[in-house]
Amino acid sequence: QVQLGQSGAEVKKPGSSVTVSCKASGGNFSIYSFNWVRQAPGQGLEWMGGVIPMFGAANYAQKFQGRVTITADKSTNTVIMELRSLRSEDTAVYHCARSPQQYNWSPDVFDVWGQGTMVTVSS
Amino acid sequence: QSVLTQPPSMSAAPGQKVTISCAGGSSNIGSHFVSWYQQFPGTAPKLLIHDNNKRPSGIPDRFSGSKSGSSATLVITGLQTGDEADYYCGTWDSSLSVVFGGGTRLTVL
Repeated sequence: QVQLGQSGAEVKKPGSSVTVSCKASGGNFSIYSFNWVRQAPGQGLEWMGGVIPMFGAANYAQKFQGRVTITADKSTNTVIMELRSLRSEDTAVYHCARSPQQYNWSPDVFDVWGQGTMVTVSS
Repeated sequence: QSVLTQPPSMSAAPGQKVTISCAGGSSNIGSHFVSWYQQFPGTAPKLLIHDNNKRPSGIPDRFSGSKSGSSATLVITGLQTGDEADYYCGTWDSSLSVVFGGGTRLTVL
């Protein structure tokens, strides 16, 4: 059974960058889509983008284009999300989530979720 | 403002049935499968329903999903106090993005 373990909470200054990692254990890493979904305090779910490790390239929500980079390291089964030019509105819990649909750039389901990483942006 | 529209809150008594709606459009629900997630405070979402109406193993058959046109529905029967949580619908949108509903907070009175 696949499990996703994420890095710990971060506190960042406005204008800086944050990197959150997500390590997958169990299952085949390369062929599935790994995505980042964030949730601001008291708010709903928001998809940021995803990557299929076998292909390397990622796709991003238009809102985050140019500000986020999602990469995958097949040697360590780890997915990394970097968000730049942080602002207070980026304060949220960031979840990585796997789609069970192999080689699928258009996921409509996420079956395994990481525990979430709280990122606080404050001066 | 979420692309998919859900009622912000619903409530029902234990043992009753609740129906949570999720309204979208032709570019999302109308042309892609819908999933539903359950989320308790401080925890990650959990997959309840995928492909409109399929339950992952371990999900009780009290939870069921359906889709008609550009709308989807989650039905929970035999409500239990442990079902009190937030529920989200989600799908792919042809604008090249995953979209979610704003979430429905279910209270079991």
